[in-house]
Amino acid sequence: NAGVTQTPKFQVLKTGQSMTLQCAQDMNHEYMSWYRQDPGMGLRLIHYSVGAGITDQGEVPNGYNVSRSTTEDFPLRLLSAAPSQTSVYFCASSPDRGIIQYFGAGTRLSVL
Amino acid sequence: KQEVTQIPAALSVPEGENLVLNCSFTDSAIYNLQWFRQDPGKGLTSLLLIQSSQREQTSGRLNASLDKSSGRSTLYIAASQPGDSATYLCAVRHLRNTDKLIFGTGTRLQVFP
Repeated sequence: NAGVTQTPKFQVLKTGQSMTLQCAQDMNHEYMSWYRQDPGMGLRLIHYSVGAGITDQGEVPNGYNVSRSTTEDFPLRLLSAAPSQTSVYFCASSPDRGIIQYFGAGTRLSVL
Repeated sequence: KQEVTQIPAALSVPEGENLVLNCSFTDSAIYNLQWFRQDPGKGLTSLLLIQSSQREQTSGRLNASLDKSSGRSTLYIAASQPGDSATYLCAVRHLRNTDKLIFGTGTRLQVFP
C-alpha cells in the first residue's frame, strides 16, 4: 500500500515547455486534489476531483489542466510553463470529500 | 473571502515546554478545521480534525480547540520534544463549499534539546 505517489520529485522546465505531473493513489479514494505551495502564501487549491470523470476548479486554476479517467490517477498538466508556476506541487486524496487525509511527498518545479 | 492567519510564523522552544500555536479565520461559517504537520521536503500529515459543532479534539500530546464564533483555533502541544520540530498548518472548509481547504501560512516550530 504505497498511499499517494507523485512523480517526478524534481523538475526544471524552460518557459513555454509543457509537462505533466503524475499523481496516483492505491487506496480507492474518490476525492483527489492538487495544491501548490509558495513561500509566505500557504497551500492553494488548483483543481480537484470528486470521482472518475468529474473535475472542478480550485482557487488558482489558470495555466493548469486536469482529467480523471480512473479512480487511481489524477495528472496535472502545464500546457505552457511560466516562471510564476515555479512552486512545490502537492497531490492529496481522501475517502471523504470533507476530509483530506493523505498527501503525496510533492513535486518541486522550477520554470526558468 | 475566507482568510486564515497563523501566529507566530516561527517559534523556538527548549524541550519539555508546553506550547500553543494559534490559528485565526475571518469567516466563522466553517464546516470543519484541520491541523497538519509538514516536515521539511515532505508532504502534509493530518493531525487533528475538528467539526464545527465540536469544541476540541485530542490525540496523544496534542489538543486542538475551536472557538468558531471568535474565529480562532489553538493547537496545544504538551511536553514538547525535538521530534515535534516541523511546520504546523491549519486549514478550514467553508459550510457552502466543503471541497476546498483554505490554508494558513503555518508556524515553523523548532524544539531544541
